[in-house]
Amino acid sequence: DIQMTQSPSTLSASVGDRVTITCRASQTISSWLAWYQQKPGKAPKLLIYKGSSLESGVPSRFSGSGSGTEFTLTISSLQPDDFATYYCQQYNSYSLSFGPGTKVDIK
Amino acid sequence: QVQLVESGGGVVQPGRSLRLSCAASGFAFSDYTMHWVRQAPGKGLEWVAVISSDGNSKYYAESVKGRFTISRDNSKNTVTLSVRVNSLKREDTAVYYCARGSDGYNPDCFDSWGQGTLVSVSS
Repeated sequence: DIQMTQSPSTLSASVGDRVTITCRASQTISSWLAWYQQKPGKAPKLLIYKGSSLESGVPSRFSGSGSGTEFTLTISSLQPDDFATYYCQQYNSYSLSFGPGTKVDIK
Repeated sequence: QVQLVESGGGVVQPGRSLRLSCAASGFAFSDYTMHWVRQAPGKGLEWVAVISSDGNSKYYAESVKGRFTISRDNSKNTVTLSVRVNSLKREDTAVYYCARGSDGYNPDCFDSWGQGTLVSVSS
């Protein structure tokens, strides 16, 4: 099975900051990587799919990059609504797997 | 718009059976794979199972294989997750989400989610 890791586990930032989260896969997954945002008590929301494709309706300040085993999610200018936990997920093969999450909180 | 509504959660004793349902609306249900994803209290997301659009292919996480069964009824736009009698464990305590597979990929990611249903395994 493919193991996913994320760094950092927690990130403290201010409104307007540029934020970058890294996700690594234990083996190559091509570009089969998605990013989700989850707020407390809510279901996750798809932000990015296929490594860098922006889901419809997601603000353009979110972007994804990478392929193979290393990926990044970037928020170009952090907004108040962006404080949440972010998860990466590989869909190269079953069993599907998520990273452990990165919590973005207020500095 | 796409809507997924889970039901069937609650407090269940270890060793009992469980049946979770997800009612889908707002899209052509029979065209999409459907998944269950769970989240233990205060923990991350764990994929549980998937069923293909026609119901003929199913995959499970190792942690639930042999204990959980995913099924679907395309005439009723529902997907179900069942747990065998005497199979439920305390570590199955989680919020269970129904999620739609994204169009055109296999395997896939999840482009729509339900609100989740909490299952608490406790005596």
